[in-house]
Amino acid sequence: SQTIHQWPATLVQPVGSPLSLECTVEGTSNPNLYWYRQAAGRGLQLLFYSVGIGQISSEVPQNLSASRPQDRQFILSSKKLLLSDSGFYLCAWSVRQSYNSPLHFGNGTRLTVT
Amino acid sequence: GEDVEQSLFLSVREGDSSVINCTYTDSSSTYLYWYKQEPGAGLQLLTYIFSNMDMKQDQRLTVLLNKKDKHLSLRIADTQTGDSAIYFCAEIGGNTDKLIFGTGTRLQVFP
Repeated sequence: SQTIHQWPATLVQPVGSPLSLECTVEGTSNPNLYWYRQAAGRGLQLLFYSVGIGQISSEVPQNLSASRPQDRQFILSSKKLLLSDSGFYLCAWSVRQSYNSPLHFGNGTRLTVT
Repeated sequence: GEDVEQSLFLSVREGDSSVINCTYTDSSSTYLYWYKQEPGAGLQLLTYIFSNMDMKQDQRLTVLLNKKDKHLSLRIADTQTGDSAIYFCAEIGGNTDKLIFGTGTRLQVFP
């Protein structure tokens, strides 16, 4: 069966510090991978999605970036965090090129920028 | 662009039915989904419906789709305190791999 892992579960970082969140998927190959952010009391905002190694699409301009160094690994990064980067970050995967494939989410990372 | 809207809050008494509504704008939507998010957790897929269906029932859950009005609803029968969570609807268009999520509806169940 497929599983998705995100870490860390919680993170407190000072403004201006770097960020690296990791997500890995097991039990499937060539997945679509996604990073979402959920701000407090708000809905989900798609940040990045990837359909293959090295292929990243950015949905919103910001100081975050994403990379996919391996087929089942997706990394969210920042060189300098802002207060507005605080939120709940969710990684997700879906079956590639399957338009009825739902997203399967990890348990999320709660990021607090102080 | 595509837009998906939901009311923010719903409060129901335990044992009553809950109806969570969602409207969307993308007329090419092929699949529509309902997700549940418990506090501090990721999203859990509850159910989905294909756009050529009007209704889908899965135990206590009933999904109704009015494609003409672009309106989707989730009915939870015999609502329990464990159903308290945020519920998101989401849609996927015909030519995309991206799900567009609604703002989420916070369901509170009181005894």
